[in-house]
Formats: sequence, C-alpha cells, structure tokens
Amino acid sequence: DAGVIQSPRHEVTEMGQEVTLRCKPISGHNSLFWYRQTMMRGLELLIYFNNNVPIDDSGMPEDRFSAKMPNASFSTLKIQPSEPRDSAVYFCASSEGGGDTQYFGPGTRLTVL
Amino acid sequence: AQKITQTQPGMFVQEKEAVTLDCTYDTSDPSYGLFWYKQPSSGEMIFLIYQGSYDQQNATEGRYSLNFQKARKSANLVISASQLGDSAMYFCAMREALGRPGGYNKLIFGAGTRLAVHP
Repeated sequence: DAGVIQSPRHEVTEMGQEVTLRCKPISGHNSLFWYRQTMMRGLELLIYFNNNVPIDDSGMPEDRFSAKMPNASFSTLKIQPSEPRDSAVYFCASSEGGGDTQYFGPGTRLTVL
Repeated sequence: AQKITQTQPGMFVQEKEAVTLDCTYDTSDPSYGLFWYKQPSSGEMIFLIYQGSYDQQNATEGRYSLNFQKARKSANLVISASQLGDSAMYFCAMREALGRPGGYNKLIFGAGTRLAVHP
C-alpha cells in the first residue's frame, strides 16, 4: 500500500520565486497536515485539512503561504514570493481521522537562495 | 510552557544493548495520546509506537516499548537489542484535543534525541 507521496523531494529556487509543493495522502485518509521542520524551530504544524476543508491554519507563517486541497487525493502548499528564511523541510502527513496516527511523507527539502 | 520535553540531545548505545529515550509532557486534557517517531538520516518520519492516556498497559511494537508513567507524565521509549539501523533522531509527540471541533487533535513534537548505535 502506497504511503504519503510528496513532490518534489528537493527544490532549489531563488528569492522571490513562487514555489509549489505537492502531496498525495494515503487513500482513505480524510485528514491532511502540512508541517515545516527547521533546526531552530523543530517541527511545526502549518495547516490541517479535514475532508478537504482547512480546519486550522493558525500555523501558516504569513500571507506568502497558502495551501489548498481541491480533492481527497491532492494538496498543495504554495509560497509566493519565497524568501531565504523559508528554507526548510516541508512534510505532508495524513491520518484516517483528525485524532488518529499521522503518517508522514518523505518530505520536500526547500532551499531558497 | 513547553508541552513535550526531551532532555537528551544525544545518546550512545552499544549494538545489542537496550536504550531508553526520555520524554516528559504537560497537558490539562484528560484524553491525550503519545507517539514516537523515528527520523533517520534520509529524512523521512517513521511512526513507531502509540500510547493512549487511558490505555492500561504499556504499548509494545516489536523491539519498541513505551514506558508510560501517567503520574509522572513521562512516556519513555525503550529500544531493546539495538541495531546499527536504529541510529537516527527520535521524536516524542503528544496529541491533545482540548475541545477542538471535528475531532481534531493537534500533534506537538519534542526537540528530539539523536541516538547513535555503536558496533
């Protein structure tokens, strides 16, 4: 059974460019989470979707960040414009329900020059 | 106040020996869950084990067991018979509902413990 799929695995971009990260959750899971991991701040929840609806976006750093989930099998996290301080590993995770075990994707390592 | 505390930034263990990774937590929610995840150098986050606050017995999954001491608010991970492949970062995490709608339980992570297994 396929796990959470993320693309790209690595992204290098220049400051000011738009970045789009993609996630396909585990089939049948109705909850999807986006996290960011940095050395300074550890793992932080950015946004949580339930049944494709954003429930908690209090962790989204600022208006430059946006996330969508147009259907149950796809979500995007967009940064526009990107800044060097956005460099981090971005994880997508999914779970059967909002309180169930979260399974993580392999992550996208983003570097903004 | 810090919700999840992992006091050991790094740990060393000899191959085939057991090791305990510490985790303490703080919550006012009577219903909560505790998780351990492993992050090897390749970067992925791998779910290891889960303990619910109402579970009577300590959770076990193969070589992993969770030493859950509710009164002390600790949920230490015990790895028995360490293997070289156990070398990784280990994160303790807690989910608490705190009355959030839709069954949403926010997951809060500790800072992690880096485990090195020596041959």
